[in-house]
Order: sequence, then structure tokens, then C-alpha cells
Amino acid sequence: DGGITQSPKYLFRKEGQNVTLSCEQNLNHDAMYWYRQDPGQGLRLIYYSQIVNDFQKGDIAEGYSVSREKKESFPLTVTSAQKNPTAFYLCASSISTGGGGELFFGEGSRLTVL
Amino acid sequence: KNQVEQSPQSLIILEGKNCTLQCNYTVSPFSNLRWYKQDTGRGPVSLTIMTFSENTKSNGRYTATLDADTKQSSLHITASQLSDSASYICVVSRPGNTPLVFGKGTRLSVIA
Repeated sequence: DGGITQSPKYLFRKEGQNVTLSCEQNLNHDAMYWYRQDPGQGLRLIYYSQIVNDFQKGDIAEGYSVSREKKESFPLTVTSAQKNPTAFYLCASSISTGGGGELFFGEGSRLTVL
Repeated sequence: KNQVEQSPQSLIILEGKNCTLQCNYTVSPFSNLRWYKQDTGRGPVSLTIMTFSENTKSNGRYTATLDADTKQSSLHITASQLSDSASYICVVSRPGNTPLVFGKGTRLSVIA
């Protein structure tokens, strides 16, 4: 079945460590996104990518990095520079970034910093 | 400033009852508005999309309305079920490659 797969579902990290969250889609979508979700807040955009080998910063990109080497994959690295990384991270894709197309979300990755 | 405000923040209703969730936005220009349902610990799923010319759209027991003049939308849930317990997120898009604007969501709890 087509969809978006995020892994791991749960991740624990010690302070000072970098971690990478995986996001793979087989929907043949051009656009992919990473959002962060905190309790009581709306989804906030971290990074997005419209095509392979290109990506743009969202509203809260500091302390995060991404790559888009393949159309299907858009991993997110949470670096030690991110001051408050404990959150629920959601990856999404859409046919394109324009026009408000439907976002298809993964099941999320919950990161906890110990 | 482009914003989406949802109310109430949370809501508890008895199984079988109806409820209405509100979404007010200041986003301009406007392309479309979507309602997403997010079960706890999972990713959001699109319920319905409203474009400028649409006033009402139904998806099973879910009915969304849009008043583009007053920039208000509502999501009405009929004959609620326990499985309706979730967060409902209103998302507004603008034309072109501009980021979506998300509301903070309404957390609905349906109890027996």
C-alpha cells in the first residue's frame, strides 16, 4: 500500500547527541515536509523540500538539518544545537507545495531527551 | 498576520450527541481550507477540503461549512461515536508555494 513510513516510533536521546529520524514515501510525491508538534501548539514547519537535492527552511529550522538525495526519502537530523528537542515529529508529503494540496502524514516519531 | 484560531480548545460530549467545532482565520489571500483528524499519537488525516466557492461539504457524519466573507469555517459531527475522540485541526492554504497555516486544534473526547 502507498503511504509514508516514519521510524523510529519512539526515540530516547541523551543531551549532546545527534539523532536522525527517517521518513520514506512511496506515493511518488514531489514535496516532503517535517513538522514539530508540541502539546497545545499547532504544527510548526521545520523544513520542506519541493524536489530532490533542494530544501528550504521553515519557521523553526534552527538546530535541525535535512537531506533529499532521493525522491522517496527525507531524513531529519536533530542536532545537539536544538535547545528543546523533546517533541512529536511528523513527516508529510504532497503532490506539490503549491495550491494547498492534501498532506499525507506519517505516524510520527516521538523524541525524548533524557 | 496570517492566523488560524480554533475553538473550543477542548470539548467533552456524550456518545450519540452532535457537536460543532469552529475555525476562524485571517489568512489572505485564500486558496482552500482543510479539516484534519488526528488520533492520539498518530499523524493527521484529511477529512474534507473547502474551496472559496463551496459553502458546505459532507463526509459521512462530518459536515464542514465555509463562509469566505467572514472567514469562518465549522466542522459539525453528527451522532458522535467513541472513535471520534481525536484532535481536529483546521489548516488554511494560500495560492502558490507558500507554507500552510495551522490552527492549534480542538481536542474532542466522546464518552459513553
